[in-house]
Parts: sequence; structure tokens; C-alpha cells
Amino acid sequence: GEDVEQSLFLSVREGDSSVINCTYTDSSSTYLYWYKQEPGAGLQLLTYIFSNMDMKQDQRLTVLLNKKDKHLSLRIADTQTGDSAIYFCARQSGAGSYQLTFGKGTKLSVIP
Amino acid sequence: DAGITQSPRHKVTETGTPVTLRCHQTENHRYMYWYRQDPGHGLRLIHYSYGVKDTDKGEVSDGYSVSRSKTEDFLLTLESATSSQTSVYFCAISESGGGTEAFFGQGTRLTVV
Repeated sequence: GEDVEQSLFLSVREGDSSVINCTYTDSSSTYLYWYKQEPGAGLQLLTYIFSNMDMKQDQRLTVLLNKKDKHLSLRIADTQTGDSAIYFCARQSGAGSYQLTFGKGTKLSVIP
Repeated sequence: DAGITQSPRHKVTETGTPVTLRCHQTENHRYMYWYRQDPGHGLRLIHYSYGVKDTDKGEVSDGYSVSRSKTEDFLLTLESATSSQTSVYFCAISESGGGTEAFFGQGTRLTVV
């Protein structure tokens, strides 16, 4: 299978919570990232989590990491229309590794 | 926003011609990267640099070369463009190589006809 996998599409109603899931295969991953890409723009780092953490919260964003299952999720509380974008999960392997391996991205559509 | 400028932003070129894309940063970051983004593939690393004149290959380096003669500039060259190199190219920079935020440029849309 793919190194980093994400579902391609997610649709939620404005005000609901969105949960975007990601699985990865390389257990040596040290840092895991969530990036947001709006149409015609580059990637914006939303948050990242170190592999020895289980959870990280930053305002409306909650990242959960299940290292045993190699599963990462991003929860967006009170989803707004401005959250409509493509969300990429990425991992970095090992100390000193410069390469980020990205998933294919999840397109989040927020219905007003 | 981090000071990263990619040029050109859009380019159409013919098969077999050489093409150079430029990434310019004003952040004095040591690390610079070139990624390509294609539908169904996400982003894939082409080449990266960890200092002036220090570069290395990424996942999809075939058909591409890079140069970094100054801290602020990282050039990506397609020696002889092919249609398979039609893509959106992103430059990224980071202060250090591990676990730090990588800032991305706005992208260059390259079409090879």
C-alpha cells in the first residue's frame, strides 16, 4: 500500500466537527504534520506532532496520534466555510531526514 | 508569510526545451526543497539543498537538476522537458532539517506541450 494514506474527500455541514484521518506505514516516523492548501495557493502548516505524543490541541484543531496503529487524525471543531481546502498529512522519517512524505490529500467541503 | 518567491508562476514550454525555475528566499534558511504536485500523487520531493552547493536527490529526481550558488536562490532545471513533467512545482524552505516548519512558496504551474 501507499506510504501515507488518506481518504480523498470529506463533506461536513458548517458548525459540525470534521475529522480527517491518515495512516502511515513507517514506524520510524518522528514528526507528523498536517498542511492545508487552499485553491491556487501553496501549503500552509497547520500543526505537527512529535511521535512520543498522543494528542496536541491548538484552538479549534486537535491532533490524535495512535502510534501502535500508525494512525493520525485531525479534528476541526466548529467547521467554517473558510476551512474548505485540501488537507495533507505528511511524515518525516528519522532524525536528520529532510524528506517529507505526503499523503494524496483530503478535500474538505463545508456545506453552509 | 515567509519570504519565498517562485518565478515564473506559470510557464508553457515545448517538449525538448530546457526550463529553469527559480526559488528565492529572504529568510536566510539553510534548507531548500523542490516538490512537484500531481493529481493522485500528493507532493513528492525532487531535490533538496542543505547549504550552498550542497544538494541531494529526492524521490523523483530523474530528469531534473538543481543548483544553489547562494543561500537565497535554489534553481530547478529541466534539461529537456517532457510532457510527464507537466506539474505544479513548489519550493519550500526550512531553518533546520528535522521537525521544523517548512514554508512553501505559491507554486509554479508548468505545462509541457
